[in-house]
This record gives sequence, structure tokens and C-alpha cells, in this order.
Amino acid sequence: AQSVTQPDIHITVSEGASLELRCNYSYGATPYLFWYVQSPGQGLQLLLKYFSGDTLVQGIKGFEAEFKRSQSSFNLRKPSVHWSDAAEYFCAVAIPGGSEKLVFGKGTKLTVNP
Amino acid sequence: DTEVTQTPKHLVMGMTNKKSLKCEQHMGHRAMYWYKQKAKKPPELMFVYSYEKLSINESVPSRFSPECPNSSLLNLHLHALQPEDSALYLCASSPLRGGQSSYEQYFGPGTRLTVT
Repeated sequence: AQSVTQPDIHITVSEGASLELRCNYSYGATPYLFWYVQSPGQGLQLLLKYFSGDTLVQGIKGFEAEFKRSQSSFNLRKPSVHWSDAAEYFCAVAIPGGSEKLVFGKGTKLTVNP
Repeated sequence: DTEVTQTPKHLVMGMTNKKSLKCEQHMGHRAMYWYKQKAKKPPELMFVYSYEKLSINESVPSRFSPECPNSSLLNLHLHALQPEDSALYLCASSPLRGGQSSYEQYFGPGTRLTVT
């Protein structure tokens, strides 16, 4: 079955530490890949997207993600986390040529300690 | 203008009330979406409009009635809701390229709905 997995429900890091959030997908072909961030009580903000080409994608707020076809992964990274990065992070996929639907992972909650 | 706006921010309604949620965007996007999000869960797709026509209805109960009066506006009419319908309702929009979805969705801040 097609699915998106974010293995970590909750991650805690210290401010200034590096961050990696994991995302794995299970699809027959390479989907389009997205990372969204949601602060408490807010809507979702698109951090970055991968459609094709360079497998290292730069996004907003200093985030980047790397697509690894062999691992069916699209992990989100940031070299130095700020307290304002505390939020819920969702990985999402879409099937090229398919419907407009995004399939979301269950999310990873990030807590940042001072 | 790169925003999707939603009104109201908060709404409390009784089970016999009729209310509407409103969403607006001026980015020229021709696809618009309604999502429902419960606490600690990802958004669940409810409806999709493409070129102001309903293209996806995810088997949503008829007490939710969407409307897309023009390319900038999306409404969600609510009637006879249940307490379990309490959630954050998110609107999103997306550009269409050559009539096809670009898959990039831009979300509004949401309406926090409480049904009493």
C-alpha cells in the first residue's frame, strides 16, 4: 500500500544543535515530495519541495532536505536549530500525473530546549 | 499578495446552527482545498475545486457543503454539525500549470471550530 512514514513522533534537541527529521515513502514510482511546518494553532507552511533534479533541496528558514531514491527517503535537516523552530513537521507526497491529493505523514513534533 | 486568508479565526456553534467558513486568495491559484485537522493529526482532505468546479469530494457528510463562487473565494457551509466535527479547518490553494496540478499547496491559518 502507498504510504508516508515519519518514524519519530517527537524529537527534542537543544538550541544550536543540528536536526534531522526522517521521512520514508512507499510508492511504485518517485513521487513529488514536500515538507511542511505547522506552529501551534496555525496553518501549514511549505518549507521545501522536490520534483526532480538535484537531490539536495534548499528551503526557507535554513532548512534543506535530501532525496535518496535507494532508501525511499526525504529527510529534513537544519545545521543549527533555533527556539522558533519548535513546531510540528509534516512530510507529504503527491503522485505525478495523479490527483491533486497530498498524502501526509503523521508528523514529528519538535521541541527545542534552551 | 502571497497569502491565503480565512475567516473567522474561531467559531463556536450549536448543533442546530448554520454557519459558513470563508477562504480567500489573490495569488491567481485555480485549485482550492478544504482540509479538516484534529489535534495531533495530519490534515485530512475534504474537498478540492479546480477551475471553480468540484473535482474531489472525500466522502464528506452532507452537513458540510462547499461552494466556490469565483476563482478567489472558497466557502464551507456548515449545518447540523456534531461535536466530533470540532477541529481546525484549513483552506489551501495551488496553482495549476497547463491545466494540471502543480501539487504545491499554500495553506491559510485555519478556523478553529467548536461544536457544542
